[in-house]
Amino acid sequence: AQTVTQSQPEMSVQEAETVTLSCTYDTSENNYYLFWYKQPPSRQMILVIRQEAYKQQNATENRFSVNFQKAAKSFSLKISDTQLGDTAMYFCAFMKRGGIQGAQKLVFGQGTRLTINP
Amino acid sequence: NAGVTQTPKFRVLKTGQSMTLLCAQDMNHEYMYWYRQDPGMGLRLIHYSVGEGTTAKGEVPDGYNVSRLKKQNFLLGLESAAPSQTSVYFCASSYDGTVNYGYTFGSGTRLTVV
Repeated sequence: AQTVTQSQPEMSVQEAETVTLSCTYDTSENNYYLFWYKQPPSRQMILVIRQEAYKQQNATENRFSVNFQKAAKSFSLKISDTQLGDTAMYFCAFMKRGGIQGAQKLVFGQGTRLTINP
Repeated sequence: NAGVTQTPKFRVLKTGQSMTLLCAQDMNHEYMYWYRQDPGMGLRLIHYSVGEGTTAKGEVPDGYNVSRLKKQNFLLGLESAAPSQTSVYFCASSYDGTVNYGYTFGSGTRLTVV
């Protein structure tokens, strides 16, 4: 079974600074996807970024980028030029690729509560 | 708006009572899921469905039952609620037949069992 670990329960930075959230995972699969989700106080789950394991290039979405280290099974999220609206719970998640039996099930980490201070 | 709708948004139950949470999606997604979110534990999969009339157990299925009689609806039932089932419940759906691994989540149901 896959497991996802986020070792930082809480983090806090000043607005405009850069922050990196850590995530490690354990799997014997070779083909999979990794995700970062944001959950603001509204409780809505918002997809931040996605990485396909077979792609060596790290995914980037505006101020959000990842450092994907497949051999080390590490998937960190970097947020540049942080904004107050980035304050949220962030979840790392794993999905095995392909096949109905997998049914695209997401396995989540414990979450990191990020606070951006003005 | 297209998406996943969960009802109710909040509920307080007494121990031993039963209830059903309803999830409805209008995106013609094949797969649907129920997760529960607890502090320090992330989201954990309760049950899921790969199509109309099918259901399967996830990571934490005990105390819950599900049904998917129609493709667009996925119901989560608690037959005899326990305080350990106090949680925020999320429904999600995915897979429209294309190579798209995107999930759409509902806005959650906060359930308190006293």
